[in-house]
Amino acid sequence: DVKVTQSSRYLVKRTGEKVFLECVQDMDHENMFWYRQDPGLGLRLIYFSYDVKMKEKGDIPEGYSVSREKKERFSLILESASTNQTSMYLCASSHSAGKLFFGSGTQLSVL
Amino acid sequence: AQSVTQLDSQVPVFEEAPVELRCNYSSSVSVYLFWYVQYPNQGLQLLLKYLSGSTLVESINGFEAEFNKSQTSFHLRKPSVHISDTAEYFCAVSGQGGSEKLVFGKGTKLTVNP
Repeated sequence: DVKVTQSSRYLVKRTGEKVFLECVQDMDHENMFWYRQDPGLGLRLIYFSYDVKMKEKGDIPEGYSVSREKKERFSLILESASTNQTSMYLCASSHSAGKLFFGSGTQLSVL
Repeated sequence: AQSVTQLDSQVPVFEEAPVELRCNYSSSVSVYLFWYVQYPNQGLQLLLKYLSGSTLVESINGFEAEFNKSQTSFHLRKPSVHISDTAEYFCAVSGQGGSEKLVFGKGTKLTVNP
């Protein structure tokens, strides 16, 4: 069965901390994505990657960066966490057009 | 650039009633269209997709959606819903140019009541 694993289901951090959200997929997919999900706003794309060491900005990249050193791992980094980054973060991977496989999400609270 | 509008944020219905979740998109290029479903406390799963060919697409659990190019719509329908269909449903669009970047709508919460 295909699997996208996000390292934490719940995370609580303090303002100003550096935060790492990890995502691993076991399907050998080229494409990986980070979205954030907020009530009433749906999913918004933060960053995506089509290949190792490659990254592209999505619609809301400000305050975030990413790292993709290996094909199976895509990390989202909050350089200095702020309260407005409290959200559900969803990682996804894909091989073919539009069929994204999502992880279960990380609910991040920044206090 | 593409955009998606889901016209209803919440849709309450009774069990065994029909339901339609509306989705309109905007794009200057040809598109692929998708419906994803998110059950409580889970990630999103692909429900159905339109890539080409027949404009009516179906899922394995009785949902269907019809691509209407003239009305730029991709509404999701089910003739008789079950309690287990309670979930949030997201419409999404991508260009056909090889990019797999999906743009999602804001979601519609479907609540099926007994």
